[in-house]
Amino acid sequence: QQQVKQSPQSLIVQKGGIPIINCAYENTAFDYFPWYQQFPGKGPALLIAIRPDVSEKKEGRFTISFNKSAKQFSLHIMDSQPGDSATYFCAASMKSGGSNYKLTFGKGTLLTVNP
Amino acid sequence: DTAVSQTPKYLVTQMGNDKSIKCEQNLGHDTMYWYKQDSKKFLKIMFSYNNKELIINETVPNRFSPKSPDKAHLNLHINSLELGDSAVYFCASSQLLRDSYTFGSGTRLTVV
Repeated sequence: QQQVKQSPQSLIVQKGGIPIINCAYENTAFDYFPWYQQFPGKGPALLIAIRPDVSEKKEGRFTISFNKSAKQFSLHIMDSQPGDSATYFCAASMKSGGSNYKLTFGKGTLLTVNP
Repeated sequence: DTAVSQTPKYLVTQMGNDKSIKCEQNLGHDTMYWYKQDSKKFLKIMFSYNNKELIINETVPNRFSPKSPDKAHLNLHINSLELGDSAVYFCASSQLLRDSYTFGSGTRLTVV
């Protein structure tokens, strides 16, 4: 059972475009929602994250929008650049065993930004 | 200096062999993880250790055995390797704060 559903699977935009990646979850026990960026041959790296008491968070050109009632969140990349071409993963975290947290990932979106 | 380092980066081995992947973190984190990334890029947690204690053990074949000699190291030993074990294995670490996951660069395991 996939707990975090991510779409689209792949996305191609032109430089300067605004790609949007969407995620949805079912388990209301999730209480932290990070996005990770992965370049080929590298491990995922934390990009930006949001907690459910906030509807939007911006860091540079990256924005997360969060809709708690719909159990959905999305990543927007403003003024996208070819260097943003990577695989993006949404994730959701909840407590698992004492004070530890378990991170569950979406299936990833391969973003290509053409020059 | 690399924060989470894994060795080896590539591992090619025959079916039936036993192999180990090593992971070390120099971030002072308390918790370490192993994730498996399949050919479709799906990342799935396998194990989590907090201060050398096993916290999370997902449905993973018992041919996979994690070992944590201290809180800075988490190794993964795999017995009787199968073709389906081919994947990229990522080690990660975090503090109790969940927004500090740091991943290693991965170990690409190919079983032939």
